[in-house]
Order: sequence, then structure tokens, then C-alpha cells
Amino acid sequence: GAVVSQHPSRVICKSGTSVKIECRSLDFQATTMFWYRQFPKQSLMLMATSNEGSKATYEQGVEKDKFLINHASLTLSTLTVTSAHPEDSSFYICSARIFKTGYYGYTFGSGTRLTVV
Amino acid sequence: AQTVTQSQPEMSVQEAETVTLSCTYDTSENNYYLFWYKQPPSRQMILVIRQEAYKQQNATENRFSVNFQKAAKSFSLKISDSQLGDTAMYFCAFMKVGYGGSQGNLIFGKGTKLSVKP
Repeated sequence: GAVVSQHPSRVICKSGTSVKIECRSLDFQATTMFWYRQFPKQSLMLMATSNEGSKATYEQGVEKDKFLINHASLTLSTLTVTSAHPEDSSFYICSARIFKTGYYGYTFGSGTRLTVV
Repeated sequence: AQTVTQSQPEMSVQEAETVTLSCTYDTSENNYYLFWYKQPPSRQMILVIRQEAYKQQNATENRFSVNFQKAAKSFSLKISDSQLGDTAMYFCAFMKVGYGGSQGNLIFGKGTKLSVKP
């Protein structure tokens, strides 16, 4: 249980275009989802926290106009990289909190490798 | 603010042997969870083991066990009988439990790259 499905797994786009990444919770309701960025051989860097039905909270230094997050339902959060540039090339991972009685934890999507050419 | 430190960027171990990965953290919180996540070459984050701070007993999951030293703020991971499939990045993570049981964000260490050699 507690599976998060992330699509696409890989995407190549041209500089200046926009790319949307989807993250769906398959068997639970995710009121809060997290978006991370990971550079090669580095740790996960939290970009933003998305809450269903409200505006996302962005970490310091993350451009909210470039990385648009929408969490319109309890099972879907999307990250749109607008006007992508080569420096936006990275690995993006979503995560959701797991709520069970007496259990705390997170589950992760399988990630999206974005290459901007 | 909480911080998580993994002082070993890379480690290697022979198949079937035992290896210990180090993790220290800094917090003033009393109620929190600690996790070890594995990220294999597929880059899927996989939960290896979790430890509740209020539990004195060290968590164990098959070949994986932790040495949780709360006073020293240390949380090491021991992998016994290492297998080739254990080759991965390992991340230590901290999560505070807030007032009313609210769940904090995960704070990750920089990771340790473990290579299991045949």
C-alpha cells in the first residue's frame, strides 16, 4: 500500500518550453505532497510542499514562477517547469506523507529525469 | 534547525560481510523519527528501516539493524551478510513529530554511496 506513481520517468524538452510532471497517490489520499530536486551524486533538495486545495509553499531560493505546483485533488499533484533551460535539467522526485494510526512516514515516486536541450 | 550528517561519502564491502554506515544528527526536539532510505541505481527511494526516538530498543529489519544512541545523537545502520543488491546510495533522514502528532518534513543527510563487491 501507499504507492505514489510519478510520470513521466524521463523527458527531454527543448529550451524555452514547459514540462509537466505528475504525481498520483494510487491507494491513499495525499493531502500533502513534496517535490524534491536531486543533482547527480547529491542528496534530495526540498523544493516545495504542496497542500491539496491551497497554494504551495516554496523553499528559499526556489522560483515559484518557474516551478508551478498544483495540487487540485487529494490524489494528484503536478510540477510544471516553465520556460525550461538547460540548468533545469535534473532528477525530480515527489513524495507524500503516509497517515496511518500510530505510523509516521513518507512514500516516494520513482522520479523524473528531465533533460533540457 | 535540525541537521543530519553522514560523514562517509563512499564505502565498499565484500559480499557476505558486514558494514556499518554512520549518521549523526542535531536537534533540540524530543519526539522524532529517524530513517534510513536506500536509493539504488534505479533512483527509487526505498525505506530500509525506521526508528522512533522514544523507543530504546534498536530497530531491526532482517539483515538491517540500527544502533540508535539518543544521547549521542547517533543513528548508524548495520548491514549484515551484504549482498550485491545492497549496492546503492544510503540516506539518513530525520523527521520531527510536532504538537498534536503533526508530522514534520524529512531532513536528509548527504548520503553514503555503498558498493558491495563480489
